[in-house]
Amino acid sequence: AQKVTQAQTEISVVEKKDVTLDCVYETRDTTYYLFWYKQPPSGELVFLIRRNSFDEQNEISGRYSWNFQKSTSSFNFTITASQVVDSAVYFCALSEGYGSSNTGKLIFGQGTTLQVKP
Amino acid sequence: DGGITQSPKYLFRKEGQNVTLSCEQNLNHDAMYWYRQDPGQGLRLIYYSQIVNDFQKGDIAEGYSVSREKKESFPLTVTSAQKNPTAFYLCASSEVSGSGANVLTFGAGSRLTVL
Repeated sequence: AQKVTQAQTEISVVEKKDVTLDCVYETRDTTYYLFWYKQPPSGELVFLIRRNSFDEQNEISGRYSWNFQKSTSSFNFTITASQVVDSAVYFCALSEGYGSSNTGKLIFGQGTTLQVKP
Repeated sequence: DGGITQSPKYLFRKEGQNVTLSCEQNLNHDAMYWYRQDPGQGLRLIYYSQIVNDFQKGDIAEGYSVSREKKESFPLTVTSAQKNPTAFYLCASSEVSGSGANVLTFGAGSRLTVL
C-alpha cells in the first residue's frame, strides 16, 4: 500500500535554529512524485516543492532545502535559520500512480506542526 | 487573480441536516478534489473529478456526495449519513497530467461544526 509517514507530530524551536522535518514514504510505483506543502494558520495549503523519483539531487531554495534519498524512501525538509513566519503545519505528499495508472490523487502524511518561538 | 474560492468559511449544522460546501475555481483546471482534514490525521480524500460529469470516490466517501456539472464548480454535500462530519474541508484543483506531476492548488477551506 502507498503511504506517507511524518513521525514528528509537533516541533518547537527557537528562532534562528535549523529544523528538519522528516518524511518517509512507501510506494509500489517505480516512478512517482513527492511534494511538500505548507499550511499557515489561514488554512490554505501552499505548494513548496515537487520532486521526481528519478531526480535525487538535493534542492535548495533560500532558507529551505530538501534531501531526497530513494534508498531509505525519505524526503526530508530542512529550514535553516528558522523564523517566526515559518510557524505552520507542513505536509509531505506522494503521487498515486504514474502514466496510464495515474489518478491525479495525492496521498498526504499526517503533517508536522512547527512552532518557531522568538 | 486565479484561484479557488470556498464558501462558507465557517458553517454550523444541526444533526440530521444536509449541508453543501461550495468550491469554485477560475484556473481552468480539469481536475478537482475534496479533502477532509482532522487533527493528527492529515488530509484524506473524499471525492475527486478529472472531467466534467464524472467523479470518483476517494478513501472516505461514505456520507458525502458531489456533482461536477461545470468545469469551474465542484460542490460537496455532507449528508446526515456522515457520522462524524465536524472537520475542516479543503477543495483543490489541478491540471490533468499523465505523469503524476499534478501540483494541487488549494482553497482556504471550510470549517464545518455539527452542534
